[in-house]
Amino acid sequence: EPEVTQTPSHQVTQMGQEVILRCVPISNHLYFYWYRQILGQKVEFLVSFYNNEISEKSEIFDDQFSVERPDGSNFTLKIRSTKLEDSAMYFCASSLTGQKETQYFGPGTRLLVL
Amino acid sequence: AQSVTQLDSHVSVSEGTPVLLRCNYSSSYSPSLFWYVQHPNKGLQLLLKYTSAATLVKGINGFEAEFKKSETSFHLTKPSAHMSDAAEYFCVVSRNTGNQFYFGTGTSLTVIP
Repeated sequence: EPEVTQTPSHQVTQMGQEVILRCVPISNHLYFYWYRQILGQKVEFLVSFYNNEISEKSEIFDDQFSVERPDGSNFTLKIRSTKLEDSAMYFCASSLTGQKETQYFGPGTRLLVL
Repeated sequence: AQSVTQLDSHVSVSEGTPVLLRCNYSSSYSPSLFWYVQHPNKGLQLLLKYTSAATLVKGINGFEAEFKKSETSFHLTKPSAHMSDAAEYFCVVSRNTGNQFYFGTGTSLTVIP
């Protein structure tokens, strides 16, 4: 069964460093998403991406964040200058279409900013 | 605005007894509702979804949920718990426009042998 994959599973970085989290969505899906879950808190939407552009983003997704689909398979989340409060589990998801459609989630990348 | 409230952060049941995980939603529109399960070190797996068809929705692994508009609830049930059901369960709502999901805080299910 096709699944969303994410790399790395864990990432430790120093405050102020840039990190890139990688995701490979399900191959025929058209919509891609990033969510995050700070320890002990809700899973929160960051951004959705369709047709090579951002379709929706939350207030969390400020200028330090960016997303890219550099090739036909990968979908990345870049955090330009990490802060301590960026420590969280980051989930990638994809869906075949947009509205009301099931989103398929990857296993997550646990990011720790020191 | 959309939101979900999962009323129990932890639920503990004995193997073979029924499971009830509670979820109430708030939505300005006719919502789509989902239950996802997360086993340790695994991704979020879809259990079932409601998208304005039948109000009683059957999912994988014997789980089902009933959409009750009058109570704004979407509780997850299973007649008989299995040890493999021990996991974190998330109730999720999406709105009819746009495609972002709104998650509940999760319910951790423990199954006692």
